[in-house]
Amino acid sequence: AQSVTQLDSHVSVSEGTPVLLRCNYSSSYSPSLFWYVQHPNKGLQLLLKYTSAATLVKGINGFEAEFKKSETSFHLTKPSAHMSDAAEYFCVVSDPIASKIIFGSGTRLSIRP
Amino acid sequence: DTEVTQTPKHLVMGMTNKKSLKCEQHMGHRAMYWYKQKAKKPPELMFVYSYEKLSINESVPSRFSPECPNSSLLNLHLHALQPEDSALYLCASSQDRPAFLVFGPGTRLTVL
Repeated sequence: AQSVTQLDSHVSVSEGTPVLLRCNYSSSYSPSLFWYVQHPNKGLQLLLKYTSAATLVKGINGFEAEFKKSETSFHLTKPSAHMSDAAEYFCVVSDPIASKIIFGSGTRLSIRP
Repeated sequence: DTEVTQTPKHLVMGMTNKKSLKCEQHMGHRAMYWYKQKAKKPPELMFVYSYEKLSINESVPSRFSPECPNSSLLNLHLHALQPEDSALYLCASSQDRPAFLVFGPGTRLTVL
């Protein structure tokens, strides 16, 4: 079975500094991986997705993620944080065998002025 | 049209009330989902409809009753809910299963 682990429940960075949100997955075959963002009292918005094409995936709002099979990681990065990036971020893996979508536990990103 | 819409945005109901949540998408997606999300937690899957047929029920209590009238619409009928059912209810759709989900904005439900 596939699983996904978000290594940090809360990350706090200063505005203008880089953002790193960590995600590791467990899979016995090539996974599809996604990052979603959720602002307070809102639905989830897809930031980016990896589906076995290029390993460096660019998403919306300046975010990108790199799929590293050797490290079973799919970390989310952004060069320069903006106040509007403060939100909850979910790493998600698609399990085609069980036909399920599996969510990580989430990382809350706070931005300091 | 690339979005999922949900109504109402907010709902307050008593434990004896009957209400319904509605979800609509016009992207031609053939799978639709109901999720329940408590504060500071990831969404929890409740139901999945695939090609208008219920394909997954994650052991949800019978006071929640899903309905898929057609490929664009998904309802969640609520009856005799408990205060612990208060949560954000999210609808989502996907082209097929499994694939990336397009989420609606959610309905914030409060049960008194």
